[in-house]
Amino acid sequence: NAGVTQTPKFRVLKTGQSMTLLCAQDMNHEYMYWYRQDPGMGLRLIHYSVGEGTTAKGEVPDGYNVSRLKKQNFLLGLESAAPSQTSVYFCASSYSRGPQETQYFGPGTRLLVL
Amino acid sequence: RKEVEQDPGPFNVPEGATVAFNCTYSNSASQSFFWYRQDCRKEPKLLMSVYSSGNEDGRFTAQLNRASQYISLLIRDSKLSDSATYLCVVTANQAGTALIFGKGTTLSVSS
Repeated sequence: NAGVTQTPKFRVLKTGQSMTLLCAQDMNHEYMYWYRQDPGMGLRLIHYSVGEGTTAKGEVPDGYNVSRLKKQNFLLGLESAAPSQTSVYFCASSYSRGPQETQYFGPGTRLLVL
Repeated sequence: RKEVEQDPGPFNVPEGATVAFNCTYSNSASQSFFWYRQDCRKEPKLLMSVYSSGNEDGRFTAQLNRASQYISLLIRDSKLSDSATYLCVVTANQAGTALIFGKGTTLSVSS
């Protein structure tokens, strides 16, 4: 049981390039989330999904797109990377949206945009 | 707008010490409260949920005061392995579909 995995672990992009971050979970969780973590800012929610085929905006969605074509995968896309998107990106999943539901995080993707 | 505020830290304590972290939140609609632990360059992991009646898990005790919108975490008999950043987390809405994270408080336990 791998839990939540993220691909790639580290990436360097040039301004204007595009890329897709992949998140996969093998726990049959309905809910999946993408966060970014910046120094002095805490984790901020980018987008989330409450089930296969659904997505919703979080706190900082601009510049990102997401897709949830399969229940186990949640993709985060950057169409035209900017230096402001340099960050550590964490994916998380949870079984349901119950108030005490634990979110399980992946190991993170470190992205540097030059 | 600071929705979740934590003690800035860092807290540097010797092994065996008792240390307390405080957190305040601004959204009175928040229904659920948590402490997550994050080791350096690692992902956050749930340490414990926080219940209105207060709850204890071994050396860790969490308290919630809804009237004051205040959450605390007490760590007794600190271990070297407790060194980490502790994140105060609250739900952003009643549906609980989004979490608001504090910036975290760093704890360093030394021998």
